[in-house]
Amino acid sequence: KQEVTQIPAALSVPEGENLVLNCSFTDSAIYNLQWFRQDPGKGLTSLLLIQSSQREQTSGRLNASLDKSSGRSTLYIAASQPGDSATYLCAVRPGDAGGTSYGKLTFGQGTILTVHP
Amino acid sequence: DTAVSQTPKYLVTQMGNDKSIKCEQNLGHDTMYWYKQDSKKFLKIMFSYNNKELIINETVPNRFSPKSPDKAHLNLHINSLELGDSAVYFCASVNQGSGANVLTFGAGSRLTVL
Repeated sequence: KQEVTQIPAALSVPEGENLVLNCSFTDSAIYNLQWFRQDPGKGLTSLLLIQSSQREQTSGRLNASLDKSSGRSTLYIAASQPGDSATYLCAVRPGDAGGTSYGKLTFGQGTILTVHP
Repeated sequence: DTAVSQTPKYLVTQMGNDKSIKCEQNLGHDTMYWYKQDSKKFLKIMFSYNNKELIINETVPNRFSPKSPDKAHLNLHINSLELGDSAVYFCASVNQGSGANVLTFGAGSRLTVL
């Protein structure tokens, strides 16, 4: 059974700092890994998706890496801003790309990020 | 706005009642999901429908009955509500037919059972 763990559970940093969020998963047979952002009272917003064959993805100040064999991913946020404050969730999709696993994501608990001015 | 819309956003009810949460997407997606986020913040899949056909049912109690009248709607009906059903329920959709990978989530429906 796939388990996803995120460390730290919460992080508070001053504006401008670079930071790293960690995600680990127990079953390396994944199809892809996604990082989401969750804002209070709102849905999840997909930030980055890394296919199992990829090592990293970048979008603006965000960079996500994937080491499938060791079951780890990191989300790097450069020059953090107060607007980055949110809960960041990591989710993996099982390696069986068939219809029954489509969208069957296993999520971590999330890291609550607070960036203060 | 193109989106996944859930109603109601908040629902407070007594144990034993029956309630429904509705979900609609106007994205033209063919697959819809219900996820549950419990008090520990874990999001777990409950159901998935593809073109109105149930394809994932994650051993959810049969008090929960999803209904998909058409591929743009996936409603969740819960009978005999229990305290443990209190959670935030998220609807999501994706266009599986196009091979898309990223699910679009609704804003969530917070259910509180007293």
